[in-house]
Amino acid sequence: AQSVAQPEDQVNVAEGNPLTVKCTYSVSGNPYLFWYVQYPNRGLQFLLKYITGDNLVKGSYGFEAEFNKSQTSFHLKKPSALVSDSALYFCAVRDGVTGGGNKLTFGTGTQLKVEL
Amino acid sequence: EAGVAQSPRYKIIEKRQSVAFWCNPISGHATLYWYQQILGQGPKLLIQFQNNGVVDDSQLPKDRFSAERLKGVDSTLKIQPAKLEDSAVYLCASSLDLVRNTEAFFGQGTRLTVV
Repeated sequence: AQSVAQPEDQVNVAEGNPLTVKCTYSVSGNPYLFWYVQYPNRGLQFLLKYITGDNLVKGSYGFEAEFNKSQTSFHLKKPSALVSDSALYFCAVRDGVTGGGNKLTFGTGTQLKVEL
Repeated sequence: EAGVAQSPRYKIIEKRQSVAFWCNPISGHATLYWYQQILGQGPKLLIQFQNNGVVDDSQLPKDRFSAERLKGVDSTLKIQPAKLEDSAVYLCASSLDLVRNTEAFFGQGTRLTVV
C-alpha cells in the first residue's frame, strides 16, 4: 500500500531564512508526488508536482521540491521564507504502478510558521 | 476558469440525523474525489469517480455514507445517520482524467459538526 510520512508536525523559521518541509513516501511503482498548501478555512491549493525528469521541480510562490529516489523523499523548499507562507502543507503521492488505481494519498501535514 | 464549488460551507446537525453535501467540479474534469479531513489529520479519500462510475470506494463507510455522480458532472455525498466521529471537513476535488500525472483541484470544503 502507498503511504506518505511528514515527520514534523510544525516547522518554525524566521522570515528571510530558507525553509524545508520534509516528506518521505512508499509506493510499489514509480511515484507521482505533489505538494499542496492549505490556509485556514480554505481548501487545498496545488503547489507543484514531480512526475518524471528533473529531480528539482519549481512551483508556485517561489517554492521548489527535490525528488530523491534513493532516499524516497520529496522535500519542499524555499530560499527565503515570507510571513505569508505560514500555512499547513501536505505532501501527497500516487502510485505509478499499472493498476494502482490512481489513488492520491496524503500525509498528515506540517504546519509552517514564519516569524518576523 | 471557475474552481470546484461546494455547498454548504458549514453544517451543524445532531447525531443520527442525515446530511448531504453538493459538489460541482471544474468544467470538463472527468475525475471527481470526495475526501474527509478530520482536524489534525491529512485528507482521506472516501470515494473517487471517473465520469459517473465509481473507481475507488474502499474507504467509504457504506453502512452510513453514500455518494452519486449522476450524468458525470455534479456529485452529492450523503451521511445517514450521522455519528459524532463524522465531524470533519469534507473536501471535493476534481482532475482532468485518470492519467496519473494530473493534479487535483480542491473546493473550499464543507465543515460538518455533529453534536
